[in-house]
Amino acid sequence: DTAVSQTPKYLVTQMGNDKSIKCEQNLGHDTMYWYKQDSKKFLKIMFSYNNKELIINETVPNRFSPKSPDKAHLNLHINSLELGDSAVYFCASRPTGPGYGYTFGSGTRLTVV
Amino acid sequence: AQKVTQAQTEISVVEKEDVTLDCVYETRDTTYYLFWYKQPPSGELVFLIRRNSFDEQNEISGRYSWNFQKSTSSFNFTITASQVVDSAVYFCALSEGYNNNDMRFGAGTRLTVKP
Repeated sequence: DTAVSQTPKYLVTQMGNDKSIKCEQNLGHDTMYWYKQDSKKFLKIMFSYNNKELIINETVPNRFSPKSPDKAHLNLHINSLELGDSAVYFCASRPTGPGYGYTFGSGTRLTVV
Repeated sequence: AQKVTQAQTEISVVEKEDVTLDCVYETRDTTYYLFWYKQPPSGELVFLIRRNSFDEQNEISGRYSWNFQKSTSSFNFTITASQVVDSAVYFCALSEGYNNNDMRFGAGTRLTVKP
């Protein structure tokens, strides 16, 4: 069974549309994250959720909004998509406590045309 | 603010050569954690190792070894007898504090191993 699963794997959409990326983890982890990887491979943290509370909210546009219906899910909603939103988005999770690495999903490649 | 620097953008070696990927970090915390991840051409991020700030022992896992030196704030990664399958982008990452609430990545080093 996949530990952290993201859907869809690929997403091609037009500018101005609204889209969502789903993420689910079956590891029982307490904290989930969204990272953005740009075309130069740089990984930047966008959000994290711990027990349904947003604890990190980086300076991302408010067109991006995380939604966590429960501890196992952290979805990413993007409104009014722009060309610059094209990137690979990774979901990740980790347990509470020091020293744990993240388990990442396989990524969602978003292309805005 | 925490910061991770991977000065080597790209490295190319021939199979069976040894290669070291450099990682230098900055932090004001005394408790922190360092990580290495591998991103092969398929795109997934694969966890390789973590090290806490109180454990400076070097680690070896097969052909992989890691050299953690607090005196130089470095956490370097060496692949011995490289193979084509080692070709990937390698990321060093740092998280601060006891609960390591977030992880900051370096820019990555693209390693190409040629046959």
